[in-house]
Amino acid sequence: DAGVIQSPRHEVTEMGQEVTLRCKPISGHNSLFWYRQTMMRGLELLIYFNNNVPIDDSGMPEDRFSAKMPNASFSTLKIQPSEPRDSAVYFCASSPTAWEKLFFGSGTQLSVL
Amino acid sequence: AQRVTQPEKLLSVFKGAPVELKCNYSYSGSPELFWYVQYSRQRLQLLLRHISRESIKGFTADLNKGETSFHLKKPFAQEEDSAMYYCALKGYTDKLIFGTGTRLQVFP
Repeated sequence: DAGVIQSPRHEVTEMGQEVTLRCKPISGHNSLFWYRQTMMRGLELLIYFNNNVPIDDSGMPEDRFSAKMPNASFSTLKIQPSEPRDSAVYFCASSPTAWEKLFFGSGTQLSVL
Repeated sequence: AQRVTQPEKLLSVFKGAPVELKCNYSYSGSPELFWYVQYSRQRLQLLLRHISRESIKGFTADLNKGETSFHLKKPFAQEEDSAMYYCALKGYTDKLIFGTGTRLQVFP
């Protein structure tokens, strides 16, 4: 099992462009989480899905951010339009249940110039 | 309110010295707490959880409800313990809330 797979590993884009981050959770895991990691704020939960349904999106910064989980094996996090302050590492994690052990992906390093 | 506070951004010790990484929480219910670790060039992974009362890689953490703390301790630090450590709380709606993390540096 390759674990949680995220793509791309690195993304460099210009302010105003649309950015789409992708995640493939571990097969059989019911919960999927998107986190953002910055030096100042650490790991912040953006949104959490359970059985493909968004349960808590209170951490999504603003309307520029959106996340979807069309099926159990794929999720996207989209930023449109992107801004320099969105620069961070974005992690996807999955879990067999909501709060049991989380398995993290390698993250996507996003740089918005 | 539900919050996890890790007051130290960086903790530096010499090999063989004791280590204590501080974590305080705010939560009105019965807390469930975790420590996650991220070694250099590796994925973030679970280190231990308080309900298991386990010792992993020599680390232990005791939940102190009176002080609302869940500090991570190890009596003798090793160089391979150098990593980023995150304390996490299972919050309302079953989501995991992380602290800002503490970077542990163990010098030879």
